[in-house]
Amino acid sequence: DSGVTQTPKHLITATGQRVTLRCSPRSGDLSVYWYQQSLDQGLQFLIQYYNGEERAKGNILERFSAQQFPDLHSELNLSSLELGDSALYFCASSVVAELYNEQFFGPGTRLTVL
Amino acid sequence: AQSVSQHNHHVILSEAASLELGCNYSYGGTVNLFWYVQYPGQHLQLLLKYFSGDPLVKGIKGFEAEFIKSKFSFNLRKPSVQWSDTAEYFCAVPFGNEKLTFGTGTRLTIIP
Repeated sequence: DSGVTQTPKHLITATGQRVTLRCSPRSGDLSVYWYQQSLDQGLQFLIQYYNGEERAKGNILERFSAQQFPDLHSELNLSSLELGDSALYFCASSVVAELYNEQFFGPGTRLTVL
Repeated sequence: AQSVSQHNHHVILSEAASLELGCNYSYGGTVNLFWYVQYPGQHLQLLLKYFSGDPLVKGIKGFEAEFIKSKFSFNLRKPSVQWSDTAEYFCAVPFGNEKLTFGTGTRLTIIP
């Protein structure tokens, strides 16, 4: 158990819908990262938040957005869903913002878009 | 472009065999290098990392990796694998402190 929790574990929805994935970082970690893992794209960095502020952006689509709340949990919002958005979405956390530090990963949310 | 390459997509070994998984990156700056492992049904976890100093890094469960700057490589090794090493292994490099870039992963299957 990494100490990072993600809900829900599985999510099945239809094209065009909107979903919200939730992540609670390890106690004391200020940085939260979101990743998408799919068979064709591998593990792709989406976005990073540090202490409530967006810090870095990766290959995140405009239909996707995220935020980090004052209690440091984070939500990833995916809208106008397409079949190709089906993937495993991981959240990770670390103590600091810098990437030389270990990231602790959650168990992931498996999203299936039908 | 900055990238991380893992050329072995699927490796199958018998128990007690020696393991070496390749990782190459393209980046001219100072690098930190990571190997993460994902056991079946589990979350990604850190196996080992190189930050600075001794280029031979020892990690958990008997794994080690050697950073060879001239070859832009950070290969993962284990002298004798066990069935419990069956997992997917990811090499990762943070480029410019903006994002952690992962390789495509190597699936390792150990046959008892």
